[in-house]
Amino acid sequence: DAGITQSPRHKVTETGTPVTLRCHQTENHRYMYWYRQDPGHGLRLIHYSYGVKDTDKGEVSDGYSVSRSKTEDFLLTLESATSSQTSVYFCAIARDTSNQPQHFGDGTRLSIL
Amino acid sequence: AQTVTQSQPEMSVQEAETVTLSCTYDTSESDYYLFWYKQPPSRQMILVIRQEAYKQQNATENRFSVNFQKAAKSFSLKISDSQLGDAAMYFCAYRSTGNQFYFGTGTSLTVIP
Repeated sequence: DAGITQSPRHKVTETGTPVTLRCHQTENHRYMYWYRQDPGHGLRLIHYSYGVKDTDKGEVSDGYSVSRSKTEDFLLTLESATSSQTSVYFCAIARDTSNQPQHFGDGTRLSIL
Repeated sequence: AQTVTQSQPEMSVQEAETVTLSCTYDTSESDYYLFWYKQPPSRQMILVIRQEAYKQQNATENRFSVNFQKAAKSFSLKISDSQLGDAAMYFCAYRSTGNQFYFGTGTSLTVIP
């Protein structure tokens, strides 16, 4: 399996608090992605990165920010968490080769009360 | 933007029988890649099979095969000799030339003993 670690695996927090999720890879892949998974919606892209300090928004980026200061780490931050951000969050990585799939972390279950 | 549609939210199949999961997509690109992922209750995202759009031959991986119809923009997954371990959510995914991935909303497959 691709070396992707997400932390934490589970988190419960309160509305209005900041939350940071971490994705760490050992594969030196160029592309990294954050998704959220909700019933009936599949996987929706929040943000992605195509290199150190190079990021772009996905379809559901409102309320989220990201940073990538090193190739191996991609952080997702909820500046002020809301109950609508309760979800399962997946990090994924991909090589800079167009026929390659994404490889996923194990997901973070985030509950905002 | 590309869209991926899985029109079957739920499917069921008798053990040892064959089932086909459908996927259609919309794109103006001529070169792209398609994937099927499996997500069992463990929440892991597991790559099942991939297809290059420039290849006419349908991809096959053991009991899993695809029916790729480029003109119709259709990419269905056939599972032969279904096993209890095949029970999972299945996602169809599209990789664009811009290195973004687009997912369908998933099909939940139940295998009946």
